[in-house]
Amino acid sequence: DGGITQSPKYLFRKEGQNVTLSCEQNLNHDAMYWYRQDPGQGLRLIYYSQIVNDFQKGDIAEGYSVSREKKESFPLTVTSAQKNPTAFYLCASSIGWTTDTQYFGPGTRLTVL
Amino acid sequence: QKEVEQNSGPLSVPEGAIASLNCTYSDRGSQSFFWYRQYSGKSPELIMSIYSNGDKEDGRFTAQLNKASQYVSLLIRDSQPSDSATYLCAVEHDGNQFYFGTGTSLTVIP
Repeated sequence: DGGITQSPKYLFRKEGQNVTLSCEQNLNHDAMYWYRQDPGQGLRLIYYSQIVNDFQKGDIAEGYSVSREKKESFPLTVTSAQKNPTAFYLCASSIGWTTDTQYFGPGTRLTVL
Repeated sequence: QKEVEQNSGPLSVPEGAIASLNCTYSDRGSQSFFWYRQYSGKSPELIMSIYSNGDKEDGRFTAQLNKASQYVSLLIRDSQPSDSATYLCAVEHDGNQFYFGTGTSLTVIP
């Protein structure tokens, strides 16, 4: 099956810990994105990558880091510097680096205890 | 001013009626527009994309775009209870990212 997978589905973190959210796609898409969704707010862009070994900050990159070592994978690390990390995190991908349709993974719900 | 604005709702319509969802955007240079549906606790799924002024129909869904007035809308005909969800409007910005609205919550009453 082609698609985007995210793991884990639920993640609990203690304050002060770094955690890494996984995003994998087998759609052969060049571009990948990370969004954060909070109740009552739209999706906000954290980071995006248009090609392997290259990525750009989105609107709310502070406290997050990413890597893009393989075309299929775009992991997101939520660091202890992120002050309000509890949210629903969504990974997306699109065919090219122009604004083709973005397709979303199932999401990871992160809760800080 | 937000880049993309939607009425948060909730919007309630009876089963079989037409639901009308609206979205305005601020970037006059935007060229691509998308409607996503998001069920509670799930990720967004694409309903339609539209790139040119006018209407685009796909089954019970019609997207309408007016670039001069900077609005895009989604009509859902013959609304079904399964259409009850939050509808997100997404607008391309600078050729490399989307801005999303906060979404409109739709409830279809049987």
